[in-house]
Amino acid sequence: DIQMTQSPSSLSASVGDRVSVTCRASQIISHYLNWYQQKPGKAPKLLISNAFSLQSGVPSRFSGSVSGTEFTLTISNLQPEDFATYYCQQSYSLPLTFGGGTKMEIK
Amino acid sequence: QVQLVQSGTEVKKPGASVRISCRTSGYRFNTYYVHWIRQSPGQGPEWMGIINPIGGNTTYAQKFQGKVTMTRDTSTSTVYMELRNLRFEDTAVYYCARFRGTGSDLHFDFWGQGTLVTVSS
Repeated sequence: DIQMTQSPSSLSASVGDRVSVTCRASQIISHYLNWYQQKPGKAPKLLISNAFSLQSGVPSRFSGSVSGTEFTLTISNLQPEDFATYYCQQSYSLPLTFGGGTKMEIK
Repeated sequence: QVQLVQSGTEVKKPGASVRISCRTSGYRFNTYYVHWIRQSPGQGPEWMGIINPIGGNTTYAQKFQGKVTMTRDTSTSTVYMELRNLRFEDTAVYYCARFRGTGSDLHFDFWGQGTLVTVSS
């Protein structure tokens, strides 16, 4: 199974900050990496697919990048609605696996 | 519009079984695979398995083999997930999700609202 190691597990930031979340895959997964945002009591929402393809309707302050097996989700100019939990997920092979999550909280 | 609507909250005793439905609409049912994912309290999502709406072929995570069965009803565009021999640690929110994409762009684009299953004596 491909392990997805996500860091940090929690992050405290202020409105307007630029923050990054990292996900490292245990093997090469090319660009088969997605980022989701989840708010309490809701299903995850797809933000970025294929490592850096921003989904329709998602603000451009969200971006994704990749270097080898390390993937990064960056949020610039944090807005109040961005405080949530973020998960990475690999679609390279079954079983599909998720990172442990990054809970973003208001400082 | 695309929708996946799941059945409601369940409370079960240890050893019992639960069957959750996921009714899809707004797209051609046979076009996309549907997956089941669960999320235990305070934990990240955990992939359980996949069902191909054409033919009903399934692949399950090793952890759930022998414990889960996924089926579909093409006449109602509904997929089902049955979980047997429930244990306290099966308490979780269970989601169905549509899987789509091409090449390396494969992702869950639409999710059900989630079904809370509580296992309690």
